[in-house]
Amino acid sequence: AQKITQTQPGMFVQEKEAVTLDCTYDTSDQSYGLFWYKQPSSGEMIFLIYQGSYDEQNATEGRYSLNFQKARKSANLVISASQLGDSAMYFCAMRVNTGFQKLVFGTGTRLLVSP
Amino acid sequence: SQTIHQWPATLVQPVGSPLSLECTVEGTSNPNLYWYRQAAGRGLQLLFYSVGIGQISSEVPQNLSASRPQDRQFILSSKKLLLSDSGFYLCAWSDRGQGRSPLHFGNGTRLTVT
Repeated sequence: AQKITQTQPGMFVQEKEAVTLDCTYDTSDQSYGLFWYKQPSSGEMIFLIYQGSYDEQNATEGRYSLNFQKARKSANLVISASQLGDSAMYFCAMRVNTGFQKLVFGTGTRLLVSP
Repeated sequence: SQTIHQWPATLVQPVGSPLSLECTVEGTSNPNLYWYRQAAGRGLQLLFYSVGIGQISSEVPQNLSASRPQDRQFILSSKKLLLSDSGFYLCAWSDRGQGRSPLHFGNGTRLTVT
């Protein structure tokens, strides 16, 4: 069964430093997609970045990059130059191939950025 | 541009009362629609999804139901709420058949059943 595992319940980082949030996944599918979402305390889910299983390069979106290691089944999110506004919950999710966009989510990592 | 509206933002309901949460999408046609629930400190669990008007699929057996009376309207309902129905409910939409397309979420409804 498809599963996402986020082993870090909480992470702390100082402003302007980089931080890596871990995500491992389990699937027997050859074609899949991995997403990262940010959830501030207000509750909305904000899409950050996407990595397809056949993408040859790691995805990047501004200060966000995805360290995709297919053989290890990991898709870690790297946030460079952390800002106070990055404090939030971060969820890794995997698209399950059921003919539509069904996402399976991990339990999340709470990131706290300190001044 | 596409927008998704979800209401109400917060709701406190007694056990046994009915529930109706509404979600509408603007700026797109024929979207896939989803209801997710997030328990406190947990990830998101898919409750229902819909690929078209009147087409509803349920992921988990529960006290809730969903309906899609119009292309861009998705409603989550219950006839009698249970304490275990408390949680944060999120509506989302995605493009049809687009593997790279993310789910776009509404702002959520925080439901407390007392």
